[in-house]
Amino acid sequence: GQNIDQPTEMTATEGAIVQINCTYQTSGFNGLFWYQQHAGEAPTFLSYNVLDGLEEKGRFSSFLSRSKGYSYLLLKELQMKDSASYLCAVRDGSNDYKLSFGAGTTVTVRA
Amino acid sequence: DAGVIQSPRHEVTEMGQEVTLRCKLISGHNSLFWYRQTMMRGLELLIYFNNNVPIDDSGMPEDRFSAKMPNASFSTLKIQPSEPRDSAVYFCASLGPSGNTIYFGEGSWLTVV
Repeated sequence: GQNIDQPTEMTATEGAIVQINCTYQTSGFNGLFWYQQHAGEAPTFLSYNVLDGLEEKGRFSSFLSRSKGYSYLLLKELQMKDSASYLCAVRDGSNDYKLSFGAGTTVTVRA
Repeated sequence: DAGVIQSPRHEVTEMGQEVTLRCKLISGHNSLFWYRQTMMRGLELLIYFNNNVPIDDSGMPEDRFSAKMPNASFSTLKIQPSEPRDSAVYFCASLGPSGNTIYFGEGSWLTVV
């Protein structure tokens, strides 16, 4: 089974930095994903980590520590449009493409 | 390439009626996923197909739910009979060629009254 935990909500100011943590306990591991979902819309892919370390993609970075079962998504230079839900998802097997999602973290960016 | 296309986008139906949700995959993608999203339970995998074959349907809630993939680019999710607790957003998604990115459709917003 899968157990994926992330905070329910976070609030930050425009221009600031926010870090969304995700911890997981899974029967196997073959990658961790972050998705962004705006209200009323579909999730969209942000990042993928399968090895330990930091992956940077513009204002967004994602970090993974497999030994700790831990990841974070770092959002820098926050903009109002970054207000959304951020979903952590884990793929649990080398031949199994299905993703198990966390409940999501709602980030609210204030002016 | 067109994205994953779902229909209907919104449906309101009465309890007991049959509901059929449709999904067209991105060309060249051969794995398809049906997810359901509610406030209470978040995003749950219902079933996924690879090369038209159902690989894992352990997330299908009960016998009222069925899914088919008659060809490489199309799938249906059927609920018969529907119940109010089935009200949710149903997402179809496909796996990109790299095997590392799942692309979601816009979702079908179902309300059963």
